[in-house]
Amino acid sequence: EAQVTQNPRYLITVTGKKLTVTCSQNMNHEYMSWYRQDPGLGLRQIYYSMNVEATDKGDVPEGYKVSRKEKRNFPLILESPSPNQTSLYFCASSSLLLLAGVPPVFGPGTRLTVL
Amino acid sequence: RKEVEQDPGPFNVPEGATVAFNCTYSNSASQSFFWYRQDCRKEPKLLMSVYSSGNEDGRFTAQLNRASQYISLLIRDSKLSDSATYLCVVNRGSSNTGKLIFGQGTTLQVKP
Repeated sequence: EAQVTQNPRYLITVTGKKLTVTCSQNMNHEYMSWYRQDPGLGLRQIYYSMNVEATDKGDVPEGYKVSRKEKRNFPLILESPSPNQTSLYFCASSSLLLLAGVPPVFGPGTRLTVL
Repeated sequence: RKEVEQDPGPFNVPEGATVAFNCTYSNSASQSFFWYRQDCRKEPKLLMSVYSSGNEDGRFTAQLNRASQYISLLIRDSKLSDSATYLCVVNRGSSNTGKLIFGQGTTLQVKP
């Protein structure tokens, strides 16, 4: 089954404790992105990747890092989480056919709480 | 001005009603347009892509107006199960970078 998986799905942590949220896709997609969703603000892009070793900042990259060493994986790293990073996070992937109208696929989401 | 704007609603309609949502976008170079549905903070799921000629899928019709830079979603014969938040998604610009912009979403509540 074509899918995007994220782990963990739920995480409660404390300020300053480094964490990684993993994202993996099995569709051989070139593009992968991370979004956060907050009430009243919608989904905002954190980082995106066009392919292996090609990443770029989205609209809200502060406090986050990413890497794309393999095509299928795009982990999101919070080096020193803070309470304002409490949010619902989604990973998404899409192919080069995005501009032709082939839509992105979203992971199930990770609900992060930073105390 | 936001890059993608939607009326957040909520739209409260009775079962069987027809309801329409609009979404405006600011970048005239955008080429890909989608409507997604999101339930209760779960992941967004594709409802339909939006094509220049307009497209229909059962009770759902999507239209694109490039001149006025908006897309629309029409839902006919609303069902209780249509209650959700509908997200308008637009790619940012003409370059194929995979960057997408989301509207804030329009909440639909269908009442018995």
